[in-house]
Amino acid sequence: QKEVEQNSGPLSVPEGAIASLNCTYSDRGSQSFFWYRQYSGKSPELIMSIYSNGDKEDGRFTAQLNKASQYVSLLIRDSQPSDSATYLCAVNPLSGSARQLTFGSGTQLTVLP
Amino acid sequence: DGGITQSPKYLFRKEGQNVTLSCEQNLNHDAMYWYRQDPGQGLRLIYYSQIVNDFQKGDIAEGYSVSREKKESFPLTVTSAQKNPTAFYLCASRPRAAGELFFGEGSRLTVL
Repeated sequence: QKEVEQNSGPLSVPEGAIASLNCTYSDRGSQSFFWYRQYSGKSPELIMSIYSNGDKEDGRFTAQLNKASQYVSLLIRDSQPSDSATYLCAVNPLSGSARQLTFGSGTQLTVLP
Repeated sequence: DGGITQSPKYLFRKEGQNVTLSCEQNLNHDAMYWYRQDPGQGLRLIYYSQIVNDFQKGDIAEGYSVSREKKESFPLTVTSAQKNPTAFYLCASRPRAAGELFFGEGSRLTVL
């Protein structure tokens, strides 16, 4: 079982719709969770971080964390063509501490005009 | 401006040659990382360093080497022992153990 799993996609949504991206993780003791956006040929850019159960909103982005079910999701409201990118979920596991973030393989999102 | 600078952005190498990728940060972060990304795949950790003069192997360290002589600098050498070095290389740093990673712009290495 992979430590961090994401739907590989690709995911397509029409402009203005809500895009929902999901991520599950295996280390129950994981403490911090991040979503990165990566445009083709570019480096990842942090868009959301979440540390406690519940929802965290930042503009059109909402991160949701459920530690009991071991999943974290990212909702993008009013999706725009500029949101088209690959979204990487990253988890800081309890084991390994400062060693690394563990990344999922990413979900490719396309927002259709 | 604070950030992470990687150079070169593009590099071509002949088989059998070693190459060194530079990574410099002025964020005063203690921890620095090197990741490799292949097309359509996630990030794989090559090496990381939490303090000066100390570094640890990641998941795919074979064929790579690093040094950490200064807090600001964490260069990566891709040696001729790396069998498939063509990839996108990302340097990152973080301010604390459980915090977020900040990435440089990446270096794309192509072996001819």
